[in-house]
Order: sequence, then C-alpha cells, then structure tokens
Amino acid sequence: GAVVSQHPSWVICKSGTSVKIECRSLDFQATTMFWYRQFPKQSLMLMATSNEGSKATYEQGVEKDKFLINHASLTLSTLTVTSAHPEDSSFYICSAYGQIEETQYFGPGTRLLVL
Amino acid sequence: SQQGEEDPQALSIQEGENATMNCSYKTSINNLQWYRQNSGRGLVHLILIRSNEREKHSGRLRVTLDTSKKSSSLLITASRAADTASYFCATVETSGSRLTFGEGTQLTVNP
Repeated sequence: GAVVSQHPSWVICKSGTSVKIECRSLDFQATTMFWYRQFPKQSLMLMATSNEGSKATYEQGVEKDKFLINHASLTLSTLTVTSAHPEDSSFYICSAYGQIEETQYFGPGTRLLVL
Repeated sequence: SQQGEEDPQALSIQEGENATMNCSYKTSINNLQWYRQNSGRGLVHLILIRSNEREKHSGRLRVTLDTSKKSSSLLITASRAADTASYFCATVETSGSRLTFGEGTQLTVNP
C-alpha cells in the first residue's frame, strides 16, 4: 500500500512557541491531504482539508490562524501550530488521499506535548 | 462532527473467538471504510464497501452494509492476540473524499 510519513513523530515544546509538522506521501502524488487531531481514547477529529496549490478548508471550530496549513507540492503538506498552549497537546495525524483506491492513507502520527 | 456510532465501545475476547463490531451512521454515503489503529499509531485501512454492496470479505475480515438501516458490521474470525487494536468505521458521503469517523471499538484479544 501507499506510504505516508510524518515528521517529527513526537515533539515537546514550551508554551508560546510554534511547531511545524510535515506530512509526506512517499510513493504517490496526493492533491488532497487531511489533518486530524486525536485526544486519548477518542476518535479522530478532522481539522482541515489541504488541497495542493490552494487554501485549506477548515472544519467548524478550528482556528485557521492558529493551525496554519500549507500544501505546496503534491507530496508535502505542513501543519504549523502557532503559539502553542498546553490544551493543544494531542496526537496529530495526517492522511493523503489516493484517488485510484478511493481511500486515505494515514501517516504514523505526531504526538505534541506543550509544557 | 462524528457521524458514526460504534458498538460495543470495548470488546474483550479469547484468542480463536470471533469478534463483531457494529457501526451506524446518519447520512447517505458513497462508501464505508473500516480502519484499525494500534495504540499511539496511525491508522491502517482494512476494507472499503460501497453503498451498492452488501457484503465484502478480505482474509479473516467480513464486512456487511445495510444502507436501509444505515449500519455496517465488521467481523473478525479466528481472532489472534495481534488483532488487539482500536477499530474505526468511517463514511464517505455521496460527494468528496472526506471521511467521517465513528467513535471506535477497542478490541482486546486475550491469548
């Protein structure tokens, strides 16, 4: 199956700093990528849909100025958590949409801890 | 927002037994997919069933879909300890590729 990587796999930062998470599709091109957040023992919550070459579409309640998404190429999308606070601590997962298979391929996730 | 409701929330069985998880949804769908997630890891796609299909098999997995009841089930036969994970259903509505996840079932298979 298709491979999606995320970097970093975990990050600890101080409150007020910004953190960038990368999501790459390694062996296919993805015009659409998705960013999810998952709290412990809960399901995935879609944050935004990232489209190559255009602005991301954010879900209701997700602050676009806080969670900056850039999808500059067909294999890379980045999520930047700006001015992170402890309540932003979570597991962030990206996925890349494979049009032929009609499925999303998920990255391994990034665990963010804001102190 | 979450569309799917899954039951049970948690299921504990012995190795060799079958595990059945159910998922209900609210809107019209194009397809329904099942994913598996090991603790603290990303999701692995298991199987996709389209709205015009009623049943699909993949190895030890059997998925059914009843669009009249807006429900689906995932059956894992002859379970193994390695099947221990969280299982999520996710629906794709009639347009687009956006997935809406259910709440998930935590399956524990005891050796």
